[in-house]
Amino acid sequence: AQKVTQAQTEISVVEKEDVTLDCVYETRDTTYYLFWYKQPPSGELVFLIRRNSFDEQNEISGRYSWNFQKSTSSFNFTITASQVVDSAVYFCALIITGTASKLTFGTGTRLQVTL
Amino acid sequence: EPEVTQTPSHQVTQMGQEVILRCVPISNHLYFYWYRQILGQKVEFLVSFYNNEISEKSEIFDDQFSVERPDGSNFTLKIRSTKLEDSAMYFCASSDRQANQPQHFGDGTRLSIL
Repeated sequence: AQKVTQAQTEISVVEKEDVTLDCVYETRDTTYYLFWYKQPPSGELVFLIRRNSFDEQNEISGRYSWNFQKSTSSFNFTITASQVVDSAVYFCALIITGTASKLTFGTGTRLQVTL
Repeated sequence: EPEVTQTPSHQVTQMGQEVILRCVPISNHLYFYWYRQILGQKVEFLVSFYNNEISEKSEIFDDQFSVERPDGSNFTLKIRSTKLEDSAMYFCASSDRQANQPQHFGDGTRLSIL
């Protein structure tokens, strides 16, 4: 069975600080997809990124970057120069291909960005 | 940008009553899902639906739950006899042709059982 662990329950930073959210996953499958979702205070789930298990290239999108390392089964998410609007709960999730593709979520990391 | 819409946004129901949560997935998507999130906890998979049948369901999705796609646009989750522990946020999601495409979520329905 697959599992996603987000060990950081809550992180508080001051605006403009960089912050990294950790995600460690477990699976015996060799083909899988990893995701990050954002849940702002309003409650909706917003898709941020998808990465497949064969693509270890890091990705940058504006202030967001993702570091995927298969050797450590980690898919970490960094926000550079954080802003108050980044305050949300961030979920890492995993899908095993070949199944009906249920997302297995981590427990989430609550990020609080203050002025 | 197309989006998944869910109604109602908040549903309050007496324990033991039936409740139907409604979702309109993105129009060209073929895979549909329901998840739930108990307050303060992680998002949990309930059921996936493809080609007019359930593809997979979790242990949470017992006989009290059912899903239906009554027409070409709606996707519903029915809870037959609600319990207090069914209180949660319920999210509908849909994805494109391939099952490992990003799942796009609706804003959720907050279900409160009294």
